[in-house]
Amino acid sequence: RKEVEQDPGPFNVPEGATVAFNCTYSNSASQSFFWYRQDCRKEPKLLMSVYSSGNEDGRFTAQLNRASQYISLLIRDSKLSDSATYLCVVPSGNTPLVFGKGTRLSVIA
Amino acid sequence: DVKVTQSSRYLVKRTGEKVFLECVQDMDHENMFWYRQDPGLGLRLIYFSYDVKMKEKGDIPEGYSVSREKKERFSLILESASTNQTSMYLCASSYRVYEQYFGPGTRLTVT
Repeated sequence: RKEVEQDPGPFNVPEGATVAFNCTYSNSASQSFFWYRQDCRKEPKLLMSVYSSGNEDGRFTAQLNRASQYISLLIRDSKLSDSATYLCVVPSGNTPLVFGKGTRLSVIA
Repeated sequence: DVKVTQSSRYLVKRTGEKVFLECVQDMDHENMFWYRQDPGLGLRLIYFSYDVKMKEKGDIPEGYSVSREKKERFSLILESASTNQTSMYLCASSYRVYEQYFGPGTRLTVT
């Protein structure tokens, strides 16, 4: 299994929809996980951290399923401005952070 | 606001040239990183540094070297540029490793 795997998408959803992405990871020893957001032609920015209890920030909820080794990002009431690529990020033994290839979301009016 | 600046947004170099990519951060961060980002391959770590004069290899260090003489500046060097080094190069800095602040990137084309 690759260190971090994501469905590349694109996920095309209408405004107001709820959308969820999953990310699987291989390092069972990882304790913390992160979601970054990258807008088109921009640099990545930290969106959320994910710990064992999950995390919620407004319309965004991140959860961890340690048994199945995946994390999820749920976006409720999607806005046009949510259109971006969402990168799953996992610390690794040899590398500070391993970035997934990203899931592209397009929210359509 | 954290600011990470990179010396150029776009750069075109010829095969065999020595290329310097500069990155400067203004937040007194200990940690600095160089990545390249390619379609279908995502972000890959080239080198990182947790302190001045210190450097560690990332996942793809071949063909690259780095220099960190001052805390705020981390340079990426392509000793002899090759066409397969055409890419978007992103620098990042952080206080906590996971909360990285990225610069705007340098799109390097090697012809």
